[in-house]
Amino acid sequence: DAMVIQNPRYQVTQFGKPVTLSCSQTLNHNVMYWYQQKSSQAPKLLFHYYDKDFNNEADTPDNFQSRRPNTSFCFLDIRSPGLGDAAMYLCATSGGGNGNTEAFFGQGTRLTVV
Amino acid sequence: AQTVTQSQPEMSVQEAETVTLSCTYDTSESDYYLFWYKQPPSRQMILVIRQEAYKQQNATENRFSVNFQKAAKSFSLKISDSQLGDAAMYFCAYRRNEKLTFGTGTRLTIIP
Repeated sequence: DAMVIQNPRYQVTQFGKPVTLSCSQTLNHNVMYWYQQKSSQAPKLLFHYYDKDFNNEADTPDNFQSRRPNTSFCFLDIRSPGLGDAAMYLCATSGGGNGNTEAFFGQGTRLTVV
Repeated sequence: AQTVTQSQPEMSVQEAETVTLSCTYDTSESDYYLFWYKQPPSRQMILVIRQEAYKQQNATENRFSVNFQKAAKSFSLKISDSQLGDAAMYFCAYRRNEKLTFGTGTRLTIIP
């Protein structure tokens, strides 16, 4: 019963070649998050959506963009991947407001840049 | 910006013993949520325990309990009767509105 699904699990891309990571959810949650996690480090929030409202972190590079065409899907676009963008990318969802605060995570997409 | 600090990069505990993981955070808000998440080697993050800042009573979930000290901005996790399956990275997290921020994590090793 996967609730947050990330595709693909592993992605190899060439330096500078645009890449898109996808996330879908079956929980009908209002909030969707994208995190970047490098080896043995904390997940770093890139941005999140509350419904269609997009919230970008101040230190997220312009190279990272996101789209949320509907409640169920969210995409992370990396326009020109650099070697420093190699990481695990985690998608998560949660309900909005104060009643549904638990975040549910996907298994992540491990991005390799060659 | 809210920051979450975990001062113990690694901890180890003997199986069946008790271990406490530390977390401090910085905020000027009074209404927020705190969490401990577990990330096993397979890397899917799962919730261990949640604490609402407006509640004085410490949260408990079976073998997991927290010591929430709001004035000190401290939120530690106690794991009792440690089991091999508890081995993982543990992340403390802070949520205000919908923004969820993580600490740097503590890697917990269980010694058989």
